[in-house]
Amino acid sequence: GAVVSQHPSWVICKSGTSVKIECRSLDFQATTMFWYRQFPKQSLMLMATSNEGSKATYEQGVEKDKFLINHASLTLSTLTVTSAHPEDSSFYICSVSTGTRGIGSYTFGSGTRLTVV
Amino acid sequence: DAKTTQPPSMDCAEGRAANLPCNHSTISGNEYVYWYRQIHSQGPQYIIHGLKNNETNEMASLIITEDRKSSTLILPHATLRDTAVYYCIVRLHSNSGYALNFGKGTSLLVTP
Repeated sequence: GAVVSQHPSWVICKSGTSVKIECRSLDFQATTMFWYRQFPKQSLMLMATSNEGSKATYEQGVEKDKFLINHASLTLSTLTVTSAHPEDSSFYICSVSTGTRGIGSYTFGSGTRLTVV
Repeated sequence: DAKTTQPPSMDCAEGRAANLPCNHSTISGNEYVYWYRQIHSQGPQYIIHGLKNNETNEMASLIITEDRKSSTLILPHATLRDTAVYYCIVRLHSNSGYALNFGKGTSLLVTP
């Protein structure tokens, strides 16, 4: 299956600053990647679908100007949390749909724990 | 994607089989059943999937009822490392361009 690398694994930042999270598909050309957010003791919530070479598609209620997604190549998508605030503290996870098993199968990054202080 | 219902939590003794149920009574004929799990502070991990036949791989077995309205994930010899949240997801085969939607899952605790 595909290997997805997410970096950093954790980050602490001051309120008002921006943080960039990278998601790399190491052995698969991913035209589509997905970004999720997970608050403590809750399930994963889809934030946006990242499309290579085009604008991301955001889920309802997710501010596109706050969560900037760039998918400039087939192996890299980045999520930038701009002007972060404590309520943005969460676990962010990216995913790649590979279809390697003949159907839509998915590989996930190891996640990024963001803490805004 | 069809709605799924799972118990919020289950316990299992180490070495015993863990049987995790999932109800998906509105599943359509061409929707697959997927199982993923998420160990604490990690990304979800694929376990197994099936359409209507029972499936087995190195991680688990998937038993789907004949009417396909429910399924059971079986971890034959649970270990402490199997403690995780297990998600049952039902979706179309062809929806690879769409994200997986996660419900609340079942939190499995494997005890010594």
